[in-house]
Amino acid sequence: AQKVTQAQTEISVVEKEDVTLDCVYETRDTTYYLFWYKQPPSGELVFLIRRNSFDEQNEISGRYSWNFQKSTSSFNFTITASQVVDSAVYFCALSVRAGNMLTFGGGTRLMVKP
Amino acid sequence: DGGITQSPKYLFRKEGQNVTLSCEQNLNHDAMYWYRQDPGQGLRLIYYSQIVNDFQKGDIAEGYSVSREKKESFPLTVTSAQKNPTAFYLCASTNRATNEKLFFGSGTQLSVL
Repeated sequence: AQKVTQAQTEISVVEKEDVTLDCVYETRDTTYYLFWYKQPPSGELVFLIRRNSFDEQNEISGRYSWNFQKSTSSFNFTITASQVVDSAVYFCALSVRAGNMLTFGGGTRLMVKP
Repeated sequence: DGGITQSPKYLFRKEGQNVTLSCEQNLNHDAMYWYRQDPGQGLRLIYYSQIVNDFQKGDIAEGYSVSREKKESFPLTVTSAQKNPTAFYLCASTNRATNEKLFFGSGTQLSVL
């Protein structure tokens, strides 16, 4: 069985601070996919990134960066110079087989204060 | 604009009543999914469908039913057998059932009167 753990349930920062959201996953499959989604107050989940298990390169997209480490089964997400618009719930998710059945973590609520 | 439309945004259920949540997509996606989100928790898969006229149970299918008669529509019925239906329900779709990213609707909040 798969499991995704986001130990931080809530994080509060002041604008312009850097913040890292942790994600630890468990799976026995050697081929898997990791995702991050953002859920703003409007409710819909917005896709941020997908990583497959064979690609351990870190990814940077603007103020967002992701650190994938198979050795520690972690896929952490860092927001640099946070902004109020980054306030949302962020979900890490794992998929191990065709059909896209995602296993989600419990989510981390990020509050960025002005 | 292409996307996923869920309706209604808010829904109230009386004791013993079945209610149906609508999910329509115009993205021409083959695969569609229903997830349930409880406060402070992650999403859990209820049902999914990879092709018209076929669907499979997810992790928490008891008390729910679905149909997939058209490619663009995947309605979810919350039956009276679901004793704790209060939750936020999210519909999603993807163009291929091969670990591509999911596109989500804006959700339906279901509450019990």
